[in-house]
Amino acid sequence: AQKVTQAQTEISVVEKEDVTLDCVYETRDTTYYLFWYKQPPSGELVFLIRRNSFDEQNEISGRYSWNFQKSTSSFNFTITASQVVDSAVYFCALSERETSGSRLTFGEGTQLTVNP
Amino acid sequence: DSGVTQTPKHLITATGQRVTLRCSPRSGDLSVYWYQQSLDQGLQFLIHYYNGEERAKGNILERFSAQQFPDLHSELNLSSLELGDSALYFCASRRDLAGGRSEQFFGPGTRLTVL
Repeated sequence: AQKVTQAQTEISVVEKEDVTLDCVYETRDTTYYLFWYKQPPSGELVFLIRRNSFDEQNEISGRYSWNFQKSTSSFNFTITASQVVDSAVYFCALSERETSGSRLTFGEGTQLTVNP
Repeated sequence: DSGVTQTPKHLITATGQRVTLRCSPRSGDLSVYWYQQSLDQGLQFLIHYYNGEERAKGNILERFSAQQFPDLHSELNLSSLELGDSALYFCASRRDLAGGRSEQFFGPGTRLTVL
C-alpha cells in the first residue's frame, strides 16, 4: 500500500532563513508520481510540483527546490530565503497510476510559519 | 485559478440532515476525485469517477454517495450528517498528458460545518 510520511508537524523560522520540508514515501509501483501542494490559511490547495519516478533530476523554481532520491524514497522541498507569505501547510503526495487510478495519498502536512 | 469550481463555498447544517456538494471539473477533464480534509483524519481520498463511471473508492462512508453526470460535473451527497462530518471537501480533476503523465488540480473546496 502507498504511504507518505511528513515527520515534521510544525516548523517555525525567521524570514530569510532557508527551510527544508521532509517527505518519505512507500510504494510497490515502479512508476509513480510525487507532488507538493501548498495550503495557505485561505484553505485552497495550490499545486507546486509533480515529479515522475523515472526522473530523478532535481528541480529549482525561483526560491523553491526539490530533491528527489529514489534510494531513500524521499522527496524533500527546500525554500530558500523564506518569506512571511510562505507561511502555510505544505503537503507531499503520492500517486500510483497503475494500482490506484492516480488517486493521491497525502502526508500529514507540515505547518510552516515564517516570522518577520 | 485552477479551473475547477466547487459550490457552495461554505455550508452550515444540523446533524441528521442531508447536503449535496457540487463540482465542475476543468474543461475537457474526464476524471473527478473527491477528498475530505478533517482535523483528525487529514486529507483522504473518498471516490473517483471517470467519464460518468465510478472507478475507485477510498475511505468513503456508506452515508456518502457520489455521481458524475453526462456533462461531467459531479455531486457528492452526504446524508444523516454527524458532527464528525464537519470538514473541508475538495474536488479535483485530472488531465492525462503524453507519456503517461497527468495533472491533478483542486477546486477551492467546500467547508461543511455540522452543528
